[in-house]
Amino acid sequence: DADVTQTPRNRITKTGKRIMLECSQTKGHDRMYWYRQDPGLGLRLIYYSFDVKDINKGEISDGYSVSRQAQAKFSLSLESAIPNQTALYFCATSVEGPGYNEQFFGPGTRLTVL
Amino acid sequence: AQSVTQLGSHVSVSEGALVLLRCNYSSSVPPYLFWYVQYPNQGLQLLLKYTSAATLVKGINDFEAEFKKSETSFHLTKPSAHMSDAAEYFCAVNTGFQKLVFGTGTRLLVSP
Repeated sequence: DADVTQTPRNRITKTGKRIMLECSQTKGHDRMYWYRQDPGLGLRLIYYSFDVKDINKGEISDGYSVSRQAQAKFSLSLESAIPNQTALYFCATSVEGPGYNEQFFGPGTRLTVL
Repeated sequence: AQSVTQLGSHVSVSEGALVLLRCNYSSSVPPYLFWYVQYPNQGLQLLLKYTSAATLVKGINDFEAEFKKSETSFHLTKPSAHMSDAAEYFCAVNTGFQKLVFGTGTRLLVSP
């Protein structure tokens, strides 16, 4: 039973379409994150949320938006998808509090924009 | 700003050989450092973490890493590679603002 789930796991769409990627977690964590992974670039942070009312931009937020519907749900939207948003997208969670920030990752969503 | 550099996008070893994956960090605050592994078609799993306790950190599957402040390094090692170790490995550093910054990853290839 997965603690962090992502839907869909794979998606192919066309340029200009609106796409939503969903993340749910049963870990009870307050903090949630969205990353994209590109070959040779590692993981880059798109958005993060420390609680339902706290949403922050990461290093590459342009072209993306997010919604934190509940403590357990954090959605990533591409308002008008473009080909260079083709990537592997990961959701992650972590506990609240000082100190280190171990993050727990979902299985990823592979998005292809044609 | 915090950052990590992973030397070598690909590392090839033979089964049974020593595995050494390099990570150097830059941090203006005492760092917390992590190694994650990504197996094909899966998400990232935590291998081990350094949180300012012991400088030699042991993780899962016989991996370990040593924090060396003088060298700003946190290299990952395993005495004897197994075919199942073939994966991509990411080093990450805590930014001090409850975010992680990841390296670009090193793909480990293990040949029989």
